[in-house]
Amino acid sequence: AQSVTQLDSHVSVSEGTPVLLRCNYSSSYSPSLFWYVQHPNKGLQLLLKYTSAATLVKGINGFEAEFKKSETSFHLTKPSAHMSDAAEYFCAFHRGNTGFQKLVFGTGTRLLVSP
Amino acid sequence: KAGVTQTPRYLIKTRGQQVTLSCSPISGHRSVSWYQQTPGQGLQFLFEYFSETQRNKGNFPGRFSGRQFSNSRSEMNVSTLELGDSALYLCASSPSTSTSTDTQYFGPGTRLTVL
Repeated sequence: AQSVTQLDSHVSVSEGTPVLLRCNYSSSYSPSLFWYVQHPNKGLQLLLKYTSAATLVKGINGFEAEFKKSETSFHLTKPSAHMSDAAEYFCAFHRGNTGFQKLVFGTGTRLLVSP
Repeated sequence: KAGVTQTPRYLIKTRGQQVTLSCSPISGHRSVSWYQQTPGQGLQFLFEYFSETQRNKGNFPGRFSGRQFSNSRSEMNVSTLELGDSALYLCASSPSTSTSTDTQYFGPGTRLTVL
């Protein structure tokens, strides 16, 4: 079955240190993958998306992700965490044929940033 | 452009009642999708509408229904509310050109509490 797995439910970092949020996917075809962020009591904000154009995808707020087919991974990174990055992050997989808009989400990773 | 708007932002209902949630997509977007977010089940796809037709449906009981109007605005309805329907309901819109994997843009959500 096509799905995404977020490997960590919580990640804690100190402000100014790198961030790594891990996501593995399972798909029988080339997937479209997304990272979204959700701040408390807010909706989901798109950070970046991969749609096979380039394996290294740059997003907003200094985040980037690398699609690695050999490892079936799409990990999210940021060189230096900021306090405002504390939020929940969701990896998502676009399921279905073109024209069908359905996202399958991972279970989320809560990022905690300490001063 | 204005983002996706959802009304109301908060709702409190009692078991057995019904509720209608509204979503206005980004101007020019033709596809509207609905998701339910709960602590236990995470983010789950409810259904997607495109050109006033339900194009895709998730695994939810028939108590959950929706519709889309000619201006692409969408409503979802939940009848005979159960305690387990308490959730954040998120609406997402996308251009849906039907030939690409479109990005979904999310609204702030409606927080439904069933007592």
